[in-house]
Amino acid sequence: DVKVTQSSRYLVKRTGEKVFLECVQDMDHENMFWYRQDPGLGLRLIYFSYDVKMKEKGDIPEGYSVSREKKERFSLILESASTNQTSMYLCASRKQGAITHEAFFGQGTRLTVV
Amino acid sequence: GENVEQHPSTLSVQEGDSAVIKCTYSDSASNYFPWYKQELGKRPQLIIDIRSNVGEKKDQRIAVTLNKTAKHFSLHITETQPEDSAVYFCAASIGGSYIPTFGRGTSLIVHP
Repeated sequence: DVKVTQSSRYLVKRTGEKVFLECVQDMDHENMFWYRQDPGLGLRLIYFSYDVKMKEKGDIPEGYSVSREKKERFSLILESASTNQTSMYLCASRKQGAITHEAFFGQGTRLTVV
Repeated sequence: GENVEQHPSTLSVQEGDSAVIKCTYSDSASNYFPWYKQELGKRPQLIIDIRSNVGEKKDQRIAVTLNKTAKHFSLHITETQPEDSAVYFCAASIGGSYIPTFGRGTSLIVHP
């Protein structure tokens, strides 16, 4: 079974803090994604990475950055957390070029910025 | 970029009834359409998908239909059960990148 693990289930951070959300997958997937999930807005793509050291902006990259130094790990960074970044964050991974294009999700990190 | 609209946002049915969730997409180049189910407190998981060269696909009680001309696709769940209660997301993706754009989700509630 593919396993995508996010480092924290719940996080509470203060406004202005630098926040790191970590995601690790154990199936040698090339593609990794960070989504933000808000009620009524669905899943919105923040950043994605096709492979190691590669990154592409998604639909809502403002206020975020990412790091992909190793194939199995994709980190989302909130440079200076703000209250409007309070949300559920979901990481996903996918095998590049696979017959099925299924994305496998982590369990989510619920971030509260106070 | 691609835009995916999903309706309804909430759907309430009695156990045993059918449920239909509809999505439209904007970019005619989209050729892959997955559906994900997210149970309360859990991660989204793929339940069925369809590619643009197929008009319909079934898997037990669930089916997906695709109308490329009208640019819409639908999820059909027959004989609904309480465990079908969840949020369902449709998505569409284009060409070789296959980066999915998701709809806003439909909260399906199946009453026993």
